[in-house]
Amino acid sequence: GAGVSQSPSNKVTEKGKDVELRCDPISGHTALYWYRQSLGQGLEFLIYFQGNSAPDKSGLPSDRFSAERTGGSVSTLTIQRTQQEDSAVYLCASSLEYGYEQYFGPGTRLTVT
Amino acid sequence: GNSVTQMEGPVTLSEEAFLTINCTYTATGYPSLFWYVQYPGEGLQLLLKATKADDKGSNKGFEATYRKETTSFHLEKGSVQVSDSAVYFCALPNQAGTALIFGKGTTLSVSS
Repeated sequence: GAGVSQSPSNKVTEKGKDVELRCDPISGHTALYWYRQSLGQGLEFLIYFQGNSAPDKSGLPSDRFSAERTGGSVSTLTIQRTQQEDSAVYLCASSLEYGYEQYFGPGTRLTVT
Repeated sequence: GNSVTQMEGPVTLSEEAFLTINCTYTATGYPSLFWYVQYPGEGLQLLLKATKADDKGSNKGFEATYRKETTSFHLEKGSVQVSDSAVYFCALPNQAGTALIFGKGTTLSVSS
């Protein structure tokens, strides 16, 4: 079946603009995760969804970052007033349920100029 | 909280050489342990996992054994190929089980 998909694959934006990143998890997966991968920080957890609720959003770095999930499926990560330090690859993963192995999407490479 | 430490790279080997990438962890209880691989230009893929102590995970010729005595999960392969060139990440769940904690990654380059 189809894996986790993310769009766009690349996004270049100017400092101060808002961006939206989309994740389509594997069909039937109830758990969804966002991570960020950057050269200096490695792979960092951002937020975890179970269904449409986010019981763990402890990894969001500031209140400029937010995410939602609708219909227990698609998720959108929004970054407001982007800064250069937001440049990274944003990865989405999903798993069948809480505690099961995670499957990752190809990522969205965000560059803030 | 849970944490993981893996050897820094890069690791450069000739084809057919033996590979070891060290990974040690700190955890409450005995969580599942994972190795993920990221090939050039691709996303993260689960390479292997072990769910309890003394378990051996294996896939594509790679192996790792969950050792609670030494809190280790070292990745090994007896004979590497050029196609194994990638970045390898050791990982375990956080205490709440709501996320994976990854090591810094080890870059492997294999030359023919």
